[in-house]
Amino acid sequence: EAQVTQNPRYLITVTGKKLTVTCSQNMNHEYMSWYRQDPGLGLRQIYYSMNVEVTDKGDVPEGYKVSRKEKRNFPLILESPSPNQTSLYFCASSDPTDSYNEQFFGPGTRLTVL
Amino acid sequence: GQQLNQSPQSMFIQEGEDVSMNCTSSSIFNTWLWYKQDPGEGPVLLIALYKAGELTSNGRLTAQFGITRKDSFLNISASIPSDVGIYFCAGPRDDKIIFGKGTRLHILP
Repeated sequence: EAQVTQNPRYLITVTGKKLTVTCSQNMNHEYMSWYRQDPGLGLRQIYYSMNVEVTDKGDVPEGYKVSRKEKRNFPLILESPSPNQTSLYFCASSDPTDSYNEQFFGPGTRLTVL
Repeated sequence: GQQLNQSPQSMFIQEGEDVSMNCTSSSIFNTWLWYKQDPGEGPVLLIALYKAGELTSNGRLTAQFGITRKDSFLNISASIPSDVGIYFCAGPRDDKIIFGKGTRLHILP
């Protein structure tokens, strides 16, 4: 089954404790992306990657890191989480040669930073 | 950053009613996309629009690409309970994907 998986689905942590949210896709997509969803703010793109070893900032990259060492994986790293990073996070992948770059989303990771 | 303005922010309607929502931008988009997010899940693409003035249907959903390329409309006819969720408009801008803030649809029994 074609899918995007994220782990963990739920995470409660404390300020300053480094964490990684994993993302994996099995559709051989070149484009991968991370979004955060906050009430009243919609979906905002954090980082995206056009291909292996190529990553770029989205609209809200501060406080986040990503890496793309393999085509299928795109982990999101919070080196020193803060309470304002409490949010619902989505990973997505797509084929950028597709005429409209349809994003296929994972199930989401709900992060709480105390 | 780039903004897509969606309205209304939320809607409360009776089952069976028609729904209309829109999305506007201060700049031109060459593609408009409409996604739906069911409660507890990630968004899923509903409709994609490529040409100014284009009208596209998907079952009870109809979307239009505004002639100015700065807006788009989504209509849902004869709403049913499973239409509940958040509807997002989106558009590609350079290599990024820009999403609106969403319209949350509630259906009253």
